[in-house]
Amino acid sequence: SAVISQKPSRDICQRGTSLTIQCQVDSQVTMMFWYRQQPGQSLTLIATANQGSEATYESGFVIDKFPISRPNLTFSTLTVSNMSPEDSSIYLCSAWTAQETQYFGPGTRLLVL
Amino acid sequence: GIQVEQSPPDLILQEGANSTLRCNFSDSVNNLQWFHQNPWGQLINLFYIPSGTKQNGRLSATTVATERYSLLYISSSQTTDSGVYFCAVATNSGYALNFGKGTSLLVTP
Repeated sequence: SAVISQKPSRDICQRGTSLTIQCQVDSQVTMMFWYRQQPGQSLTLIATANQGSEATYESGFVIDKFPISRPNLTFSTLTVSNMSPEDSSIYLCSAWTAQETQYFGPGTRLLVL
Repeated sequence: GIQVEQSPPDLILQEGANSTLRCNFSDSVNNLQWFHQNPWGQLINLFYIPSGTKQNGRLSATTVATERYSLLYISSSQTTDSGVYFCAVATNSGYALNFGKGTSLLVTP
């Protein structure tokens, strides 16, 4: 299994500002992902965080709004830029392990005022 | 993209009752996982089950890949089973998971 931590666990931000969320895995993993869960909804994939190259974004998500970094095999960041109230969500990091199972971090609860 | 449909959307059980949750998917998959999201938002991995049957305590799951569905069985439910149960699948073209809308379960004392 993999243990995934995220920082911050929650935050309240003003519109127009940016927040960077950190994701740390306790072991090296091949693939990391970022998901968004809007209030009362299911999870939607934002992007695949690729180590050493640009992230691969899903339809509806763009790099300017959600820049992602992955400097090594255990760490990734997601930035939510120029935030609006519609960005209020839970943001979750996940990692694909050698056991062919995807594990999730505890999530970052973001409220934008 | 692949469609993932879960039923029922909501379920209320009395403690001790059994239940079956269903997940239908529209294409071949190389990964299927069941998750429980507890009231605090944490996603807990229940099963990795792209095919076959697995059991873990009071929970078991069966996936019939040829017929494109999976079932999650909860026996002797407890109040701590409350939360949202998600089915998520990945197709042969990638590793990212596509989630269903979930089944919201409430177990009452």
